[in-house]
Amino acid sequence: SQQGEEDPQALSIQEGENATMNCSYKTSINNLQWYRQNSGRGLVHLILIRSNEREKHSGRLRVTLDTSKKSSSLLITASRAADTASYFCDNYGQNFVFGPGTRLSVLP
Amino acid sequence: ETGVTQTPRHLVMGMTNKKSLKCEQHLGHNAMYWYKQSAKKPLELMFVYSLEERVENNSVPSRFSPECPNSSHLFLHLHTLQPEDSALYLCASSQDRSGGHYNEQFFGPGTRLTVL
Repeated sequence: SQQGEEDPQALSIQEGENATMNCSYKTSINNLQWYRQNSGRGLVHLILIRSNEREKHSGRLRVTLDTSKKSSSLLITASRAADTASYFCDNYGQNFVFGPGTRLSVLP
Repeated sequence: ETGVTQTPRHLVMGMTNKKSLKCEQHLGHNAMYWYKQSAKKPLELMFVYSLEERVENNSVPSRFSPECPNSSHLFLHLHTLQPEDSALYLCASSQDRSGGHYNEQFFGPGTRLTVL
C-alpha cells in the first residue's frame, strides 16, 4: 500500500510538553511533507524534508527522516493549546497519498 | 489564508438536487485537485487537473463531475448524491510536477457537504 500510517492515532498532552508523532510507509520515501489540519478545515503545509536530509527544523517543529526504515517523525516542542489539530504526512511525489493522521490534543 | 478559496463553505442538499462546488486559486499555479475527507478516513484524492486537463481520476462515481475552465478555477458538479457522500471536500493547487514529482500543495478551507 502506498498509504502512509501515522502513529499514534491520537495523542493528548499538557501544554508545555513535547509531542512526537511518527509516519511510516511501505513504499520508498522520496521526500516527505507534514501537514496540519484544524478541525473541519483545509490542510496547512508545515515542513518538507528531502530524501537526502536527515533532520530539519522550523520554529518549534523538528522533523527527522530515516529512508532505510521508511519512516519520519515530527516533534513539536513546548506545545500550546493552539497546536491542537490533526497532523498528516505525505510521501511527496507518491500522488499525495495521505495517512489517517495523528489527532493531537494539547490541554491547557 | 493559503491563496485558495472554496465556496460554499457549507452545503446541505437532497439526493435529487444538483449543486456545484467552486474552488479558486490566486497563486499562479497550474495544477488543481479535489479531495474527499470522510469522518475517520484518510484523505482520498478524487481528481487532478494539470494545465487544465484531467490527468487522474481515482475511480470516482460519475455523480461527481469536475470541470476546470482555466488554471485558476475548478468546479465539482454534484448530482443525485447519496448520504454516504457527506464529507468535507477539499480543493488544492500546486505547480505542475517537475522532475516527476508533484510540488507542495496549498489547500482551501473545504466545503462541508451534507446529503440528506
